[in-house]
Amino acid sequence: QVQLVESGGGVVQPGGSLRLSCAASGFSFSGYGMHWVRQAPGMGLEWLTFLTQDGSYKEDADSVKGRFTVSRDNSKNTLYLQMTGLTVEDTAVYYCMTQVAVGYWGQGTLVTVSS
Amino acid sequence: EIVLTQSPGTLSLSPGERATLSCRASQSVSGSQLAWHQQKPGQAPRLLIYGASNRATGIPDRFSGSGSGTDFALTISRLEPEDFAVYYCQQYDRAPYSFGQGTKVEI
Repeated sequence: QVQLVESGGGVVQPGGSLRLSCAASGFSFSGYGMHWVRQAPGMGLEWLTFLTQDGSYKEDADSVKGRFTVSRDNSKNTLYLQMTGLTVEDTAVYYCMTQVAVGYWGQGTLVTVSS
Repeated sequence: EIVLTQSPGTLSLSPGERATLSCRASQSVSGSQLAWHQQKPGQAPRLLIYGASNRATGIPDRFSGSGSGTDFALTISRLEPEDFAVYYCQQYDRAPYSFGQGTKVEI
């Protein structure tokens, strides 16, 4: 069955960095664009970034431009999110998702930015 | 940037009742590239509707989507106990691929 499994979350100090991974299985990962979405505690969903199937084109939300970088390794069926310059406002559950019309979501990984 | 405004913020209904949720876009969403996601407490979101009116795989037919341009709606014809959740619309016409703020459907 289709699975998206995020990992790499944890507690990090302000100004720190973290790399999230999203491992895909049960579908043709290399055939789909992928998104990262986050949800701060008690808040709604915030779209962050999108990467095309082959990794050649991406789009970023203003809130993460210059700080977060999305990438993928289709040979490993894995999507990544490199996060730098983290602030307390980046505390959230981070989800990966396939292109919207396909709509597979991972279960999320919690990132806590705290001193 | 397309801003999505959902209404109402909270909908208080009983099982068996009909629910109608609204999503209004600040600019026209071309190609009806509008989706609805459901999220239950402590769970990841789940895609319900894509292309404004197409049910995702495995979604019961009591869920239906409609609309085009700037006005969209999600209708749940007869609420089941498991339908009480938060619902988000999302446009995927152009980046940033924004979400609405959500509508909570509660008992």
